[in-house]
Amino acid sequence: NAGVMQNPRHLVRRRGQEARLRCSPMKGHSHVYWYRQLPEEGLKFMVYLQKENIIDESGMPKERFSAEFPKEGPSILRIQQVVRGDSAAYFCASSSGSGETQYFGPGTRLLVL
Amino acid sequence: GQSLEQPSEVTAVEGAIVQINCTYQTSGFYGLSWYQQHDGGAPTFLSYNGLDGLEETGRFSSFLSRSDSYGYLLLQELQMKDSASYFCAVTPVGGRRALTFGSGTRLQVQP
Repeated sequence: NAGVMQNPRHLVRRRGQEARLRCSPMKGHSHVYWYRQLPEEGLKFMVYLQKENIIDESGMPKERFSAEFPKEGPSILRIQQVVRGDSAAYFCASSSGSGETQYFGPGTRLLVL
Repeated sequence: GQSLEQPSEVTAVEGAIVQINCTYQTSGFYGLSWYQQHDGGAPTFLSYNGLDGLEETGRFSSFLSRSDSYGYLLLQELQMKDSASYFCAVTPVGGRRALTFGSGTRLQVQP
């Protein structure tokens, strides 16, 4: 039973480019969460989605960031016009239900040059 | 809102027992979770306390006291591979079900 999958594992972008991060939840999980982690810090919540719905995006910057979880396919976190401050590890987690244990993917490490 | 405090670093020797504390201020939460994260790795779920008391899972145990706004992770028979960062996290009541994490405790196990 595959765990949470994320790709790419590492992503390098120049300032102003777009970054697309993908997350496939664990089999049977329909709840997806995105977190961001800066070096030497804890994880900070960004957005919570269920299939085709954004449940809570209160942790996501108002501009340049968007997320989706379509009926078919992975959840995608999209960052437009990246800046150096976007460099971080982005983790996706999934759960079988609201409030259930969250299991994390390996993360995508974004480096903005 | 929620805030969780943990010591930033703990050092212990192989075979020893170490306790990592987590104190919190929160308006309400379902339970306290613990995650382990090795450098460059993903957070891995360790333990969950929905009720007060002790939960034991092999060498790891976790404790919660809601009346004291306090919890801890206990690691026994420490091994070198236990060197990692440990995060406590709460699932707040109401609204989103996303985890709010503490800033993490870096555990260094020495031979």
